[in-house]
Amino acid sequence: EAEVAQSPRYKITEKSQAVAFWCDPISGHATLYWYRQILGQGPELLVQFQDESVVDDSQLPKDRFSAERLKGVDSTLKIQPAELGDSAMYLCASSLWEAEAFFGQGTRLTVV
Amino acid sequence: GQQVMQIPQYQHVQEGEDFTTYCNSSTTLSNIQWYKQRPGGHPVFLIQLVKSGEVKKQKRLTFQFGEAKKNSSLHITATQTTDVGTYFCAGRIQGAQKLVFGQGTRLTINP
Repeated sequence: EAEVAQSPRYKITEKSQAVAFWCDPISGHATLYWYRQILGQGPELLVQFQDESVVDDSQLPKDRFSAERLKGVDSTLKIQPAELGDSAMYLCASSLWEAEAFFGQGTRLTVV
Repeated sequence: GQQVMQIPQYQHVQEGEDFTTYCNSSTTLSNIQWYKQRPGGHPVFLIQLVKSGEVKKQKRLTFQFGEAKKNSSLHITATQTTDVGTYFCAGRIQGAQKLVFGQGTRLTINP
């Protein structure tokens, strides 16, 4: 069964350091999403791609976060510098256009 | 800011009781999706509603999409312990097509 792959599963980093997360969507899914989920809250959309183009990044803190999907397939989300408040689960998902989203296992980030 | 609101935040029921969660959007939606997330897991898709006034059923679960395509509900009849988890609605914002999640309703059940 096709899955969304994310790595790493867990990441501990010191504040002010740089951190990067990787996502490989289900083959053929043109839409890719990065969400941040704080424990007890709903997933917050950080950025949504359609192929290699950004559909929405209105909630992405652009002073420290960046996301790219250069060839319209896999994607990288970067934080530099990390802050204590960035500790959360970072979820990647993919879908066909307007269809249901399939989520990866997520990356649990802890900033110390 | 948050465009999709969901209530209640928490619901605790006795096994066998019914459960309902409500979702409301500030803008018209192209469609609405429902997901379930178990503790320690990731959201898993349940269903998608597209048409105004649409009602869909999955065994004990009934999903509704409002006439104005701005609100939705999920109703579970006769809850079972396997229903435990957090239920999220996710609205596809018309025009922008971005997928925005509600805050979720965490369901706990007393056996």
